[in-house]
Amino acid sequence: AQSVTQLDSQVPVFEEAPVELRCNYSSSVSVYLFWYVQYPNQGLQLLLKYLSGSTLVKGINGFEAEFNKSQTSFHLRKPSVHISDTAEYFCAVSDRRGGSNYKLTFGKGTLLTVNP
Amino acid sequence: DVKVTQSSRYLVKRTGEKVFLECVQDMDHENMFWYRQDPGLGLRLIYFSYDVKMKEKGDIPEGYSVSREKKERFSLILESASTNQTSMYLCASSPVFGGNQPQHFGDGTRLSIL
Repeated sequence: AQSVTQLDSQVPVFEEAPVELRCNYSSSVSVYLFWYVQYPNQGLQLLLKYLSGSTLVKGINGFEAEFNKSQTSFHLRKPSVHISDTAEYFCAVSDRRGGSNYKLTFGKGTLLTVNP
Repeated sequence: DVKVTQSSRYLVKRTGEKVFLECVQDMDHENMFWYRQDPGLGLRLIYFSYDVKMKEKGDIPEGYSVSREKKERFSLILESASTNQTSMYLCASSPVFGGNQPQHFGDGTRLSIL
């Protein structure tokens, strides 16, 4: 079984400031890692994913995340945020073994609020 | 682009009613999922289906059932709605062998049970 911990439930920042949203996971097997974003009154959309290879992955809207296997972390970063980045962000993991093990386990979400 | 369409954005029902939430995807995906989303709890998996007429329980199946008669359509059924089922419900789909495939989500149905 896997679990995902998003360490901050809310992160307020000012426009053009850098931001880091933290995600740690626990799993007895290797995992794939995802970040999703949910804008108000919408469903979730994929921001980025780590499957293999380079531990630094780049996603849409200028976001990037770094996979750290020793610390079991997958923190999301953006060097300069915009008002339009205000949304809830979810970290998720899935089992690499495949078969019926393709369910996603989500964290509880981090609400990013960008203030002018 | 993958399109996952949920039939209602907002729904108000009464305690004891039988409630149907419908979801349709247009990308021929094998896997479909139903989640509920509650503040502070994130997304929790109710049921998922990996093929027509196939289903598996997720983490919180109690009080719910599902139906998948056609590949593109996945229905969530509340047999006898209760107030604790007031929530946001999200449907998602993904291709087969989906461990490394992202799920595609609909816009959600906000369900209120009075």
